[in-house]
Amino acid sequence: DVKVTQSSRYLVKRTGEKVFLECVQDMDHENMFWYRQDPGLGLRLIYFSYDVKMKEKGDIPEGYSVSREKKERFSLILESASTNQTSMYLCASSSRPRYTQYFGPGTRLTVL
Amino acid sequence: DQQVKQNSPSLSVQEGRISILNCDYTNSMFDYFLWYKKYPAEGPTFLISISSIKDKNEDGRFTVFLNKSAKHLSLHIVPSQPGDSAVYFCAASAADSWGKFQFGAGTQVVVTP
Repeated sequence: DVKVTQSSRYLVKRTGEKVFLECVQDMDHENMFWYRQDPGLGLRLIYFSYDVKMKEKGDIPEGYSVSREKKERFSLILESASTNQTSMYLCASSSRPRYTQYFGPGTRLTVL
Repeated sequence: DQQVKQNSPSLSVQEGRISILNCDYTNSMFDYFLWYKKYPAEGPTFLISISSIKDKNEDGRFTVFLNKSAKHLSLHIVPSQPGDSAVYFCAASAADSWGKFQFGAGTQVVVTP
């Protein structure tokens, strides 16, 4: 079974803080994704990566950056957290670009 | 602008009856579609897929129908069970999209006894 884990289930940060969200997958998947889920908007893609050290912008990359130094790990970074980044963050991985994506349990981030 | 729309935010259905979830899309380049199911405090899990070369795909109690001319797909769950109570997302991608999926806003299904 594919397992995607995220470092925290719940996180509370202050405006202006730097925030790191970590995601690890154990199936040697090439592709990894970061989404945020907001009510009425569904899942929106922030960034994705098709290989180590490679990254591509998704639909809403503003205010975020990512890092993929190892194949199994994909980090989402909020350089200076703002209240409008309060959301549920979901990481996913897939073996190939259009194959089924497997999701982690999510991190509920609150920025005060 | 959302390219994938699930216009019904919620659906209540009696146990044993059929649940029909609808999804509309605007991008004619979409050719591969997925449905995901999400329980509270968990990540979405894959349910069923369909590519544009088909108009129907079935997996147990779940059937997805695709109407390309109407840019519409639907998920049928028969019979509905209490464990089907969850949020359902449809997602679509185009061949040239590098694996990017566009997701709908989701439909909350509640199966009542």
